[in-house]
Amino acid sequence: GAGVSQSPSNKVTEKGKDVELRCDPISGHTALYWYRQRLGQGLEFLIYFQGNSAPDKSGLPSDRFSAERTGESVSTLTIQRTQQEDSAVYLCASSLTRGKYQPQHFGDGTRLSIL
Amino acid sequence: SQKIEQNSEALNIQEGKTATLTCNYTNYSPAYLQWYRQDPGRGPVFLLLIRENEKEKRKERLKVTFDTTLKQSLFHITASQPADSATYLCALDFNTGKLIFGQGTTLQVKP
Repeated sequence: GAGVSQSPSNKVTEKGKDVELRCDPISGHTALYWYRQRLGQGLEFLIYFQGNSAPDKSGLPSDRFSAERTGESVSTLTIQRTQQEDSAVYLCASSLTRGKYQPQHFGDGTRLSIL
Repeated sequence: SQKIEQNSEALNIQEGKTATLTCNYTNYSPAYLQWYRQDPGRGPVFLLLIRENEKEKRKERLKVTFDTTLKQSLFHITASQPADSATYLCALDFNTGKLIFGQGTTLQVKP
């Protein structure tokens, strides 16, 4: 597709359940980022992937969070044993490379609500 | 740690006026700075990038300035229109390869 695609757009689940969020980056973009945005807040970096390099996981808030990416394509963000504080919009972005001065192209996010 | 501050209060202006949004940071100067626009329920959209050695950048009705002495970037929209109403985010890279985002300022342009 022309832009970054995320699914599902909305997810409501019970506390304690696992969730999996998906991101399809722009074709040809080697860098992929995941962010979390709480209501009325800025974006909080979670993890990024660059080609076949080891991902930078420094922003993951706990070991309940993990992410995978196959090559330079789809990425999934998994949250295990969800807690209410995990409720937020999860945004994915891609860029042509990870180099300096690269703008990031965002999807419209997955709005996650934990009951 | 680095802190980025944007006005948390919404900015309300009249159509046709110039909107000016502020982004302040502490400690070290970033390698570059980006501005994004975010509409409700949508992801941010890239607008402009300014590098550490640049003082000003323009794109159509948009202008960004970067003052490393004041540790501040200003984002201007001239001849503002109601369609410019949105939240504007600044994002900085402090030579880590990762962007740190401000919390955003909401702009409301009234006809």
